Amino acid sequence: DGGITQSPKYLFRKEGQNVTLSCEQNLNHDAMYWYRQDPGQGLRLIYYSQIVNDFQKGDIAEGYSVSREKKESFPLTVTSAQKNPTAFYLCASSHTMAAGGFQETQYFGPGTRLLVL
Amino acid sequence: AQSVTQLDSQVPVFEEAPVELRCNYSSSVSVYLFWYVQYPNQGLQLLLKYLSGSTLVKGINGFEAEFNKSQTSFHLRKPSVHISDTAEYFCAVSVASYQKVTFGTGTKLQVIP
Repeated sequence: DGGITQSPKYLFRKEGQNVTLSCEQNLNHDAMYWYRQDPGQGLRLIYYSQIVNDFQKGDIAEGYSVSREKKESFPLTVTSAQKNPTAFYLCASSHTMAAGGFQETQYFGPGTRLLVL
Repeated sequence: AQSVTQLDSQVPVFEEAPVELRCNYSSSVSVYLFWYVQYPNQGLQLLLKYLSGSTLVKGINGFEAEFNKSQTSFHLRKPSVHISDTAEYFCAVSVASYQKVTFGTGTKLQVIP
């Protein structure tokens, strides 16, 4: 079955530690995204990538980093610079973004809940 | 800039009753509009979207939405809800000239047996 997988389901971070969230898709989508979800705030875009080896900052990129070495994979690292990392993190993918806009349906993974010890 | 407002954070409704979840957007240019549903501890799933053409859009699970340009609204409706519709619903807007989708803060639909 085609889809998006995220791991782990739960992740605990200690003070000053970097942690990496995994996102893999087998939908043959070019575009991938990372969102952060906090209660009552909806989804906020952290990073997105339209093609391998290229990615762009979203609205809240500070304290996060990404890589896109393979079409199928878009891991997110939450660095120690992110002072409030507790949230639900969602990865999504879509077909190539149409020129000039995000028209395409985004397909979401099941999410990773990050908690701070 | 584009923005989207979901005024109702929670909507309780009895089973088999109709429901309307409200969504208003702000944009000075043409928009694309989406409704996504999120079941507890899961990702989001597309219910329906409006790109152009007919203003009445039908989606999955019996939901529909109507694009109203003059009122800048894209309300989601279902004539008869089921217990399984209990979830959080997100309205989202995208503008051709902006490289992003903006999500609303979500509306939790609670279907009461």
